[in-house]
Amino acid sequence: NAGVTQTPKFQVLKTGQSMTLQCAQDMNHEYMSWYRQDPGMGLRLIHYSVGAGITDQGEVPNGYNVSRSTTEDFPLRLLSAAPSQTSVYFCASSSGGPSSPLHFGNGTRLTVT
Amino acid sequence: QKEVEQDPGPLSVPEGAIVSLNCTYSNSAFQYFMWYRQYSRKGPELLMYTYSSGNKEDGRFTAQVDKSSKYISLFIRDSQPSDSATYLCAMSAEGNTNAGKSTFGDGTTLTVKP
Repeated sequence: NAGVTQTPKFQVLKTGQSMTLQCAQDMNHEYMSWYRQDPGMGLRLIHYSVGAGITDQGEVPNGYNVSRSTTEDFPLRLLSAAPSQTSVYFCASSSGGPSSPLHFGNGTRLTVT
Repeated sequence: QKEVEQDPGPLSVPEGAIVSLNCTYSNSAFQYFMWYRQYSRKGPELLMYTYSSGNKEDGRFTAQVDKSSKYISLFIRDSQPSDSATYLCAMSAEGNTNAGKSTFGDGTTLTVKP
């Protein structure tokens, strides 16, 4: 009963490096999203997807790319890491509609030096 | 101005106390109101969910929504040390375009001391 799995749990990058944060869910949820959590700023939506092949931007999309080739996977790519991207990143999924609760992974803690 | 404002805390209460956590919002399109609980170094998990105005009770937890005042609350009765966590309010609007998209408050960190 894995739910939403995020890898890696921790990552340190140098400015300018790129990387991909992985997210996989085994609940056959159509909707997946990425949030970042910063102290004093709550959870902010980066990108989301309403199904395979469909993605859209959230509140803070700059510097991030996503794609959704399968229902299960929704990777988040950092193109050229910046210290402002130091944060905790959460992937979430839901079964459908705004009334469906979000199921979160346990996060990836990213530090950019 | 943020769409969702949450009382910042932190809150520290003795075991057995009644806890009140509050959020206000400005977007009148919000129809779904959630409270998530987040333990340290974990992802948030849904605690309570309410549609439109009214009260909902689940054990020691009661969620209240007052849409006329754009104000929501979570009450915890007989608080326990295991309730120590960060509580996040979240809201979403009607429509499939809002699926998977919730607007969160900044969270209130609660510590219940034995």
